[in-house]
Amino acid sequence: AQSVTQPDIHITVSEGASLELRCNYSYGATPYLFWYVQSPGQGLQLLLKYFSGDTLVQGIKGFEAEFKRSQSSFNLRKPSVHWSDAAEYFCAVGAVETDSWGKLQFGAGTQVVVTP
Amino acid sequence: EAQVTQNPRYLITVTGKKLTVTCSQNMNHEYMSWYRQDPGLGLRQIYYSMNVEVTDKGDVPEGYKVSRKEKRNFPLILESPSPNQTSLYFCASSDRRTGSYNEQFFGPGTRLTVL
Repeated sequence: AQSVTQPDIHITVSEGASLELRCNYSYGATPYLFWYVQSPGQGLQLLLKYFSGDTLVQGIKGFEAEFKRSQSSFNLRKPSVHWSDAAEYFCAVGAVETDSWGKLQFGAGTQVVVTP
Repeated sequence: EAQVTQNPRYLITVTGKKLTVTCSQNMNHEYMSWYRQDPGLGLRQIYYSMNVEVTDKGDVPEGYKVSRKEKRNFPLILESPSPNQTSLYFCASSDRRTGSYNEQFFGPGTRLTVL
């Protein structure tokens, strides 16, 4: 079974500074990897995803993430945060096996606060 | 517009009073799923459905029921709600046929409070 760890529960960052959110996963093979964002009172929006190929993936809103197989990590980055990036971010792992297809395992989330 | 809709968006009820949260998608997706979100726990899967008339338990199915009589609808039923089911619920859907690799589209959420 897959599992996901987001080590940082809460991160505070200044507007204009860089942001990196950590995600570590446990899985027997290369999984499908996702980052979702949840703005206050909103549903989940997909930021980016990794299935195979280039390990650096670009997403919406200026976010990118890098898959590192050796470290079982899929960290999310943004070079310069905007106040509107204040939200909760979830890393998720999807199963590759046919009989577990569709099952997403979510991390506990990282709350990002942006200060002026 | 392609979307997943949930109703109601907010619900306050009392212990033991049966309720249903509806979920509908207009993308002709085969796969649908229910999650609950609790602080510090992220999202946990309650039930999922691979197709019409095919449902299975997720990680936290106790106290919930689902049905999938039509492809577009996947209602979540709480036969006898209890306070520990107070949570934020999300419905999601995904299309297996187009190589979408279980990328899931989420509804706006239903905030349920059981008194």
